[in-house]
Amino acid sequence: DSGVTQTPKHLITATGQRVTLRCSPRSGDLSVYWYQQSLDQGLQFLIQYYNGEERAKGNILERFSAQQFPDLHSELNLSSLELGDSALYFCASSVGTANEKLFFGSGTQLSVL
Amino acid sequence: EDQVTQSPEALRLQEGESSSLNCSYTVSGLRGLFWYRQDPGKGPEFLFTLYSAGEEKEKERLKATLTKKESFLHITAPKPEDSATYLCAVQSLNSNSGYALNFGKGTSLLVTP
Repeated sequence: DSGVTQTPKHLITATGQRVTLRCSPRSGDLSVYWYQQSLDQGLQFLIQYYNGEERAKGNILERFSAQQFPDLHSELNLSSLELGDSALYFCASSVGTANEKLFFGSGTQLSVL
Repeated sequence: EDQVTQSPEALRLQEGESSSLNCSYTVSGLRGLFWYRQDPGKGPEFLFTLYSAGEEKEKERLKATLTKKESFLHITAPKPEDSATYLCAVQSLNSNSGYALNFGKGTSLLVTP
């Protein structure tokens, strides 16, 4: 158990809808990272938050947004969903802003039908 | 742009049959190279970090090595429980990306009894 909790484990929705994925980092970790994993693209970095503030952005679509709350949990919001958004979404946490030892959650499997 | 290429995509070994996984990379200044293990339905789990050419790290049956262009993950006398997908990632010195990890697509390893 990595100590990172993601909910829900599975999410099935329709095109055009909006969903929210939730992540609780390990106790004491201030950074939260969101990654998307698909069969053809592999693990793609989306966005990082550190202590409530956006730290870095990767290949995140404008339809996607995230935030980190004062209690350090994070939410990833995906809107106007398309079939191609179906993927496994991982949250990871680390102690600092550039700590490469990431602890990953078990992921949320999103299926857009 | 940073690139990480892993080979082979899939590898099947008999128990006890040693082999190596390859990770070739191009990066504008390497801050670190990382190996993670991912089991089906789970998030990646940290294995090693390598920082400079010539560095080696070991953990049980695994040994990771690093050159200026590639890294190898050597698996000695593997057991069925070593079956997993092994992911390589690089971290650039470029802080504009927040030191985010850039992952390869992984090598899927199956070790049969």
